[in-house]
Amino acid sequence: AQKVTQAQTEISVVEKEDVTLDCVYETRDTTYYLFWYKQPPSGELVFLIRRNSFDEQNEISGRYSWNFQKSTSSFNFTITASQVVDSAVYFCALSEEGSGGYQKVTFGIGTKLQVIP
Amino acid sequence: DAGVIQSPRHEVTEMGQEVTLRCKPISGHNSLFWYRQTMMRGLELLIYFNNNVPIDDSGMPEDRFSAKMPNASFSTLKIQPSEPRDSAVYFCATSRDSGNTIYFGEGSWLTVV
Repeated sequence: AQKVTQAQTEISVVEKEDVTLDCVYETRDTTYYLFWYKQPPSGELVFLIRRNSFDEQNEISGRYSWNFQKSTSSFNFTITASQVVDSAVYFCALSEEGSGGYQKVTFGIGTKLQVIP
Repeated sequence: DAGVIQSPRHEVTEMGQEVTLRCKPISGHNSLFWYRQTMMRGLELLIYFNNNVPIDDSGMPEDRFSAKMPNASFSTLKIQPSEPRDSAVYFCATSRDSGNTIYFGEGSWLTVV
C-alpha cells in the first residue's frame, strides 16, 4: 500500500468553481507531519502548508483551505473560487521519523489541476 | 533570505558523459534531500543527508549515481556515465531538523541524448 495516496490523477474545473484535492496517508507513527506543495507549469515546487499530527484544526488561507482528519487519515485541500493561476500539479507529502530519528518523507504522485477559463 | 540554489538549471549532455549537479542549501538547514522527478515515476527520493552525513541512499538507482556533501553549504549529485534514461528534473531540497518544512530548489533539468 502506498503511504500517500492521491487518488485523483487529473481534475478539470471551470473557473470560479470550488475543487477539493484528496490525500490519504498511512503511518504507524503518532508524531508525523503533512504537507501540500504546488508545482505550476514553470516547474518549481512551492510549499503551501505544513501540519503536525497533533493539530487537527482546519486551516484557511485566502481561497485555500485544508481539512485534516486523523480518523480517516486524510488531509484534503480545497480551492474556493478557482482561478486559472491555480492550474498546477499539487503534491501531498508525509514526513515520518525514520530509523535513527531521521526524517523520512514520502510524496504522493500528485494531482494535476486544470482550471478552464 | 536566499532559497535553495541549484546549478545548472538546464543541461543537455551526450550519453556516456559525466554530469555533476550542484546544490547550495538554505543557511542553517541541516537536512538535504536529492529528488528526481519523471513523468513515469513522479518524485523519487534519491538520497538524504543529515548534518552532512548520508542517512538514506536506498533510492540511488545504481552505482553510476553518487552524492556528496563535503560541508554544510554544498552538495553534489554526480552521474557517471550518464544514460538517456537519466533524463529528468533533479531537485535539491533542504529543511531545518526533522519534521520541518522542506524547501525545494528550482531544479536541474537534465537531458541525456
